[in-house]
Amino acid sequence: KNEVEQSPQNLTAQEGEFITINCSYSVGISALHWLQQHPGGGIVSLFMLSSGKKKHGRLIATINIQEKHSSLHITASHPRDSAVYICAVYESNSGYALNFGKGTSLLVTP
Amino acid sequence: EPEVTQTPSHQVTQMGQEVILRCVPISNHLYFYWYRQILGQKVEFLVSFYNNEISEKSEIFDDQFSVERPDGSNFTLKIRSTKLEDSAMYFCASRTGGGSYTFGSGTRLTVV
Repeated sequence: KNEVEQSPQNLTAQEGEFITINCSYSVGISALHWLQQHPGGGIVSLFMLSSGKKKHGRLIATINIQEKHSSLHITASHPRDSAVYICAVYESNSGYALNFGKGTSLLVTP
Repeated sequence: EPEVTQTPSHQVTQMGQEVILRCVPISNHLYFYWYRQILGQKVEFLVSFYNNEISEKSEIFDDQFSVERPDGSNFTLKIRSTKLEDSAMYFCASRTGGGSYTFGSGTRLTVV
């Protein structure tokens, strides 16, 4: 079973700071998702990656398949970015069922 | 933007009672999932559903759980005899053939 580890577990940043959240996994995957979970509990998909890099607004996600590692970056962070960010992976033989990390709780203060 | 709709948003039930959690996936998605998140823990896979049958299930998804797509649009999760440890947020999700997921906003189940 794939072990999905995220770091840090908790992160506090000041508005405007550049933020990096890391995810590593133990077994080769088909794709990796970055998800956002707000205090109300709903989950929103941010990115799906199988290689390289993707950008959407102030969010950038990268993945290194050989090193089994992905990062989520937030540029010019804002208090509305405060949420839990979750990395989830699926393997090609898993039927696309996602295996989740524990999440990184981000608080951006004004 | 298309959404996955879950109802109810919150359900309180007595231990031993049956509950049905409902989901309306995105209409042109073919793959459906239920996940759960116990408070303070990570999200866990329960079951996947494709072509009107279960395609994969986790060890959590035992005989007290069942899923159905009764009318071609709704997708339900039934828990036959709820236990205290079934208290969790249950998420429905659907995905495209390319692997892109959309999650519902969840049903918070509280078993008392």
